[in-house]
Amino acid sequence: QQQVRQSPQSLTVWEGETAILNCSYENSAFDYFPWYQQFPGEGPALLISILSVSDKKEDGRFTIFFNKREKKLSLHIADSQPGDSATYFCAASGNNNAPRFGAGTKLSVKP
Amino acid sequence: EAAVTQSPRNKVAVTGGKVTLSCNQTNNHNNMYWYRQDTGHGLRLIHYSYGAGSTEKGDIPDGYKASRPSQENFSLILELATPSQTSVYFCASGPPGPYEQYFGPGTRLTVL
Repeated sequence: QQQVRQSPQSLTVWEGETAILNCSYENSAFDYFPWYQQFPGEGPALLISILSVSDKKEDGRFTIFFNKREKKLSLHIADSQPGDSATYFCAASGNNNAPRFGAGTKLSVKP
Repeated sequence: EAAVTQSPRNKVAVTGGKVTLSCNQTNNHNNMYWYRQDTGHGLRLIHYSYGAGSTEKGDIPDGYKASRPSQENFSLILELATPSQTSVYFCASGPPGPYEQYFGPGTRLTVL
């Protein structure tokens, strides 16, 4: 069973728009939530992460919003650029659990 | 700079054959992981390790074995490869706790 779920499976936005990627999880023991960015032919690389003690984390154009009560989080990419076109994975870990990943969201940013 | 390397990068195997995928990390991380990536499933955890000599089953361990002979090396072994194991395999390393994982470039395995 998928412990981490992501939606939508794919998303297309215009350059300059805000892309919103969603993630939810089941295991209450998860307390660390990284988002990874993956380009074709490469391994995933960390983009931004949040601990469950926080409800928001910003890094430039990238912001994570976290709702512990609902076990949901979202990644907002402001002022999307064509170079942001990639697959984004939400992951979760905690309490000595190995990190689990969602199925990913494939983002396309049209110029 | 964190470095995780995988070999081979591409592999074609026959059904029933033995396949060994290798991973090496120079980060001195205790934890290492093997995932497979398939469309619609994302990254699924196969095996992981907390240090030399230890291996743990992930969510989809059937048909796979793992070996961690040293801090730096972590292998994934398919004793009897099947076409359903055709996939892209990623190795990752990371320190214990809430820290990022560092991924290798992946191995594309095709089982005919």
